[in-house]
Amino acid sequence: GAGVSQSPSNKVTEKGKDVELRCDPISGHTALYWYRQSLGQGLEFLIYFQGNSAPDKSGLPSDRFSAERTGGSVSTLTIQRTQQEDSAVYLCASSLRGGEPYFGPGTRLLVL
Amino acid sequence: AQKVTQAQTEISVVEKEDVTLDCVYETRDTTYYLFWYKQPPSGELVFLIRRNSFDEQNEISGRYSWNFQKSTSSFNFTITASQVVDSAVYFCALSGVLILTGGGNKLTFGTGTQLKVEL
Repeated sequence: GAGVSQSPSNKVTEKGKDVELRCDPISGHTALYWYRQSLGQGLEFLIYFQGNSAPDKSGLPSDRFSAERTGGSVSTLTIQRTQQEDSAVYLCASSLRGGEPYFGPGTRLLVL
Repeated sequence: AQKVTQAQTEISVVEKEDVTLDCVYETRDTTYYLFWYKQPPSGELVFLIRRNSFDEQNEISGRYSWNFQKSTSSFNFTITASQVVDSAVYFCALSGVLILTGGGNKLTFGTGTQLKVEL
């Protein structure tokens, strides 16, 4: 079956611009996660959605980062006024309730 | 706070050798989950295994085996008869009590071990 998909695969942007990253979870998975992988920080949790519950935003590094999940499926991670330190691979994962997370291929973001 | 330590940054072996990747964790939770993921050069994280803290039975899946020892807070991963296709970065991760809002696994990852298997 289809796995988690993310778009775009790569994104190059200029410092100060806003970017949107998209995630399509595995069909039927109610939980959705965003993680970030960077050389300096390793793999970091950003945010978690489960059904209609309030998201766990405890990992978002600043108020420039936000995410939403529409209709309990597709999610968009938005970074406003991008900075060079935002350059990283942004990974999305989904799972069944209480199940292990399955990751997508990631979006590689480069902020110039 | 939770912490996962993978002290081995990089390991190189010759094909057919056995190799063990170490993982040591810290948590105050009495219930928790441990994971291993593989990240091949393509970049996608591939789920390998999840264990809960009440199940210390070792697990074997083909050439892969996992040794969970609560007494030493370790969850080590052994690849038997390694192959070139095993070359990847392997991450150990820990999840505490499921997120109260809905039962999710919020993972704390180790820094990973780069495994290189050569002919």
